[in-house]
Amino acid sequence: DAGITQSPRHKVTETGTPVTLRCHQTENHRYMYWYRQDPGHGLRLIHYSYGVKDTDKGEVSDGYSVSRSKTEDFLLTLESATSSQTSVYFCAIKSEAYEQYFGPGTRLTVT
Amino acid sequence: QKEVEQNSGPLSVPEGAIASLNCTYSDRGSQSFFWYRQYSGKSPELIMFIYSNGDKEDGRFTAQLNKASQYVSLLIRDSQPSDSATYLCAVNMWNYGQNFVFGPGTRLSVLP
Repeated sequence: DAGITQSPRHKVTETGTPVTLRCHQTENHRYMYWYRQDPGHGLRLIHYSYGVKDTDKGEVSDGYSVSRSKTEDFLLTLESATSSQTSVYFCAIKSEAYEQYFGPGTRLTVT
Repeated sequence: QKEVEQNSGPLSVPEGAIASLNCTYSDRGSQSFFWYRQYSGKSPELIMFIYSNGDKEDGRFTAQLNKASQYVSLLIRDSQPSDSATYLCAVNMWNYGQNFVFGPGTRLSVLP
């Protein structure tokens, strides 16, 4: 258990509404990641962070923004949710040994 | 060409047999390789990692790496029905900012 929690675990929202997903870690890891997982596409990197206020884009960053104001929290925001953002979202950390561990996931449905 | 490729399966093996899962990757400079197990509706769980050419064993699991062929595999000996899951190969790629690139996963079914 890498001490990673995600909230909410499930969310249904309407197209056009803003949505924020939260990832919280208890072990002060520097690197944190947001992925989405969809059938046929596997896990794809959205954004990642390498420190407080230090973030960068991943493979599928369009329509998403992130913020990291504290080491333990990494927020993913969908400014205006679309149906194509219906997915399972996973947060992950990278340990000092370069191993990546995942949170429990958030299932987001955009109607 | 995808960066990390795996046979999507499903791969079916009888209980007690050896399951062999394969993964190829495109970035010759990659240094770190990981295998994750993911049960349906759950998050990926790290089960093996390997950095050097050759074999690494952990219980019933063996990871094999051949950097010259850009190939990594996972063997599961004495397969159990509880091993039925999707197995994800991940590569820490230098040309992706040292980020992890995941394969699409291989679904394994162990038949009692």
